[in-house]
Amino acid sequence: EAGVAQSPRYKIIEKRQSVAFWCNPISGHATLYWYQQILGQGPKLLIQFQNNGVVDDSQLPKDRFSAERLKGVDSTLKIQPAKLEDSAVYLCASSRSGNGELFFGEGSRLTVL
Amino acid sequence: GENVEQHPSTLSVQEGDSAVIKCTYSDSASNYFPWYKQELGKGPQLIIDIRSNVGEKKDQRIAVTLNKTAKHFSLHITETQPEDSAVYFCAASDTRGSQGNLIFGKGTKLSVKP
Repeated sequence: EAGVAQSPRYKIIEKRQSVAFWCNPISGHATLYWYQQILGQGPKLLIQFQNNGVVDDSQLPKDRFSAERLKGVDSTLKIQPAKLEDSAVYLCASSRSGNGELFFGEGSRLTVL
Repeated sequence: GENVEQHPSTLSVQEGDSAVIKCTYSDSASNYFPWYKQELGKGPQLIIDIRSNVGEKKDQRIAVTLNKTAKHFSLHITETQPEDSAVYFCAASDTRGSQGNLIFGKGTKLSVKP
């Protein structure tokens, strides 16, 4: 079974620029998550999708972050404009339902200069 | 909301020794407590989990204990091996709703010296 795919693995941008991350979850997984992991900390949930609907986006900084999951499969996370404090690893995860094991991708490391 | 505290932040043991990592949580509604292992450059991977109707769970060299009254749970690794070296995260969530949002601790960096 293929795992969660993410791209790009690394991205370096200047502050105020924009960036987009892509995630392809495990086939058949209805729930998709985006987490932000700042160096030395645990992952923090940004947004959770159930199929193509948003379940929880309470911690997503909506003035600069947006995410979509068209057709209930792939998802993109966009940051515009980026700030220095957005430097982090952005992890995508999926699960069969919303109540069980999360399968994480390898993450996209963002550096904002 | 839920808050998860994890200790210690770093742990160094000799190969073959045991390692124990402890977590406390604040929300008494939390009923699901997984542990994830994260190797350098990779995403976290579930190694064991426990639900609130169970006090202890074992899987070969790893075990997790849960004390719901005291709101704390622990990871125990016996006969540690160099490949156990990684960052370990505890987490907690209330899965009775549809969300199941996991709240993670800050992690414990485990180093196993050969």
